[in-house]
Formats: sequence, C-alpha cells, structure tokens
Amino acid sequence: QVQLQESGPGLVKPSETLSLTCTVSGGSVSSGTYYWSWIRQPPGKGLEWIGYIYYSRSTNYNPSLKSRVTISVDTSKNQFSLKLTSVTAADTAVYYCAREQVLYCSATNCYTYLDYWGQGTLVTVSS
Amino acid sequence: QSVLTQPPSVSGAPGQRVTISCTGSSSNIGAGYDVHWYQQLPGTAPKLLIYGNTNRPSGVPDRFSGSKSGTSASLAITGLQAEDEADYYCQSYDSSLSGSKVFGGGTKLTVL
Repeated sequence: QVQLQESGPGLVKPSETLSLTCTVSGGSVSSGTYYWSWIRQPPGKGLEWIGYIYYSRSTNYNPSLKSRVTISVDTSKNQFSLKLTSVTAADTAVYYCAREQVLYCSATNCYTYLDYWGQGTLVTVSS
Repeated sequence: QSVLTQPPSVSGAPGQRVTISCTGSSSNIGAGYDVHWYQQLPGTAPKLLIYGNTNRPSGVPDRFSGSKSGTSASLAITGLQAEDEADYYCQSYDSSLSGSKVFGGGTKLTVL
C-alpha cells in the first residue's frame, strides 16, 4: 500500500519561500509508471493542481504558478519536494502531495489520475 | 472561477439517487479528455472515486458511477447513505492551459 507524507514549516512569512517535502513509502519515486504531484486547497475552497515531476526529472507546472514553482525529486531518499517563492497570503492552503497513475499515453502526452494522496499539511503565510 | 463547473451543493434523503454534474468546454471534456472524480470527507484528503470517466477503483462501492457526454460529465450516487456526505470534485485535462490538470469547484453533498 502506497503512503505519502508531507512535511515542512506550517508558517511562512510573506515574500519568503515555501518549502515542503513528500516522503513516499510502499512505492518508488524512481518508477517510470507514475508521476508525482502537488495540489493545494485554500481554506474553505476547492483544489488547485500545482505541478508534477517524473522520475526522469521532467516537470510540468500550472501556468498560473509556473514562475514561482520548482518541484524536484530525491530518489536516494524516495522523496519529492515543492518550492514556491515570493509567497503571499493567497498562498495559504493545505498542500497535498499525490501519486499520478498513467491512464494512457498518446504520441505527445501521458494522461493520468491521482490515485494516492498524502494527508495534507496546512501552510499559513503570515508575518 | 474554476475551469470545470459544478453545482455548489446537492442534497438527498437516505436511499435516494443524486447526480452531480461537471461542465467543461471544447478544450477539456469536450476535447475527449477523461474525467475523474474525487470524494473529500470532512477534514480529510481527497480520495479517488472514479477514474477514466466510468471506472471504479477497488473498494469503491458500485453505488457510485460516472458518465460523460459531450462537454459534460456526471457522478451518480444511488442508495444514498449518511457516510456519503462529503465534497465531490471532478478533474480533467485542459489543452489550452499547457497540459494542466483542472478541477471543478466542488459540490457539497448533504444527506438529509
């Protein structure tokens, strides 16, 4: 059974960088079958996909966040990480890490769904 | 404003059938991309409920079913139970957003 666990500071000051790590157990981030994602949910609001990383270190980010987001992977620790720069109060949210299972691939893209989620961690941006 | 549109809330009595709609456009659902559904119980992380429009992961009761037609998709829940009270989100892929995954705004299901 795959399990994902987010970790990182629960409070970040405005203009600073939010950094979170997701530790994966019961599966390998080096597997070519899956992508590894971050999703966030502001308090009382809906879900927003942030981006994913593949074991080859290729990434894809939400265009609305692309200029501020970096997702990286550490295969030796079976972890992947999120960095979000220049945060504001609008970045306050529960941040989830998740595994993306490939449904099928075309010549140019693979299409996935989120089959396992971490429990989430609340990050508050405040001075 | 979400790319996929869901009703903010639906309700039903125990035993009844309810449906939740998810309306998109020609750059997402209408382009043929699959729709997936997630259930979020209060205070917990989302859980995969339906993938690939109609498929249920192991362990999801057959009371839950999904369908897709044109630019819309639907989640149906039959034999409504109190434990089904949760938020439900649809998700797809949007070609106009550089391959981003997009979610609906979520629907709160209340079991009366």
